[in-house]
Amino acid sequence: AQTVTQSQPEMSVQEAETVTLSCTYDTSESDYYLFWYKQPPSRQMILVIRQEAYKQQNATENRFSVNFQKAAKSFSLKISDSQLGDAAMYFCAYRNIYNQGGKLIFGQGTELSVKP
Amino acid sequence: GAVVSQHPSWVICKSGTSVKIECRSLDFQATTMFWYRQFPKQSLMLMATSNEGSKATYEQGVEKDKFLINHASLTLSTLTVTSAHPEDSSFYICSARAGRERIGELFFGEGSRLTVL
Repeated sequence: AQTVTQSQPEMSVQEAETVTLSCTYDTSESDYYLFWYKQPPSRQMILVIRQEAYKQQNATENRFSVNFQKAAKSFSLKISDSQLGDAAMYFCAYRNIYNQGGKLIFGQGTELSVKP
Repeated sequence: GAVVSQHPSWVICKSGTSVKIECRSLDFQATTMFWYRQFPKQSLMLMATSNEGSKATYEQGVEKDKFLINHASLTLSTLTVTSAHPEDSSFYICSARAGRERIGELFFGEGSRLTVL
């Protein structure tokens, strides 16, 4: 079975600084998707960034980028120029392409606080 | 992006009663919907996968007779918590998959907070 592990329950960053959130996963599949979701206090899940496993190039979305290391099964999220609005719970998630109906498997989450 | 709506957004009920939560895809057809449960400060735990027109597939450890899931149309799935108890109090989130492809994009509802007194 696939698992997702986030080893940092809490992280803190100064406004305008850069922070990296860690995520590792375990799977025997070769094709899959990885995601980072943001959950603010409203509890609405917001997709931050997505990475297809077959793509070697790391995904980037404005201030958000990932470091995808397929062999090491590592998928970290880097937030540059942190803003107060980035404060939220961040979840790393894995999704099979061909099996299990495409369900998402989430990590434990990392609570990010941004200091002004 | 596509919109998924959950109703009610919060509900308080007495122990022993049943509560129904609806998950609707407003502008797309969702052949598959997923139901998650989330306790405070914890992750989303998948409860079941709901497929339109067929029985839901429950994750290990989830009581299918307690958490009834119905996916009667391409835009609506319902989760009914039967004979609710205080330990069922939680945040329930649905996610809908657009299209029939397994890699169809997933969209989340706003969540429903259930409090059982």
